[in-house]
Amino acid sequence: DTEVTQTPKHLVMGMTNKKSLKCEQHMGHRAMYWYKQKAKKPPELMFVYSYEKLSINESVPSRFSPECPNSSLLNLHLHALQPEDSALYLCASSQGTLQDYGYTFGSGTRLTVV
Amino acid sequence: GESVGLHLPTLSVQEGDNSIINCAYSNSASDYFIWYKQESGKGPQFIIDIRSNMDKRQGQRVTVLLNKTVKHLSLQIAATQPGDSAVYFCAEAALFGKGTRLHILP
Repeated sequence: DTEVTQTPKHLVMGMTNKKSLKCEQHMGHRAMYWYKQKAKKPPELMFVYSYEKLSINESVPSRFSPECPNSSLLNLHLHALQPEDSALYLCASSQGTLQDYGYTFGSGTRLTVV
Repeated sequence: GESVGLHLPTLSVQEGDNSIINCAYSNSASDYFIWYKQESGKGPQFIIDIRSNMDKRQGQRVTVLLNKTVKHLSLQIAATQPGDSAVYFCAEAALFGKGTRLHILP
């Protein structure tokens, strides 16, 4: 299996809702990433987990809460989001660290906050 | 802030010609660079990578050149095809540059 699987593919949520985005990989990769991508912009790094520990938080607001339950799974918990948080949320993985090979991206979750 | 950037936002190339997409980076300690292709509605797709101990790396129809002296890398696509139409990003490990949209002219 050489894929990163993200669910759901589309999500519409209200500003008072709580939802979670899920990401899964079975390549044995030990680094996993969350990115946010707005239209016509590059992906912006949000969080990095390395060996199931949060190693980088790029000053992301606390309404986004990442979780890495095990080496294959990565979640992003969402609460009290704003309309400007609407974007494509991408998950990626690589072998072990930021400088390691094998960066593989999922197809993303298209999030709309209403 | 971003450590990598692209020289041109849009590049139009005749089908069958070679394409060259450029990228500059600012961190001289950068060790690992990746080129991605992103089609509409999809996640970035890995094309080719290169480490700082190399100057050139070739794949199928693609070549990446790294010039550490001027902190510049480029992606060359040979015999550009309609399926090459996409946005191309360079990245320094996990950090993305701005992107270049490649248009293929018939």
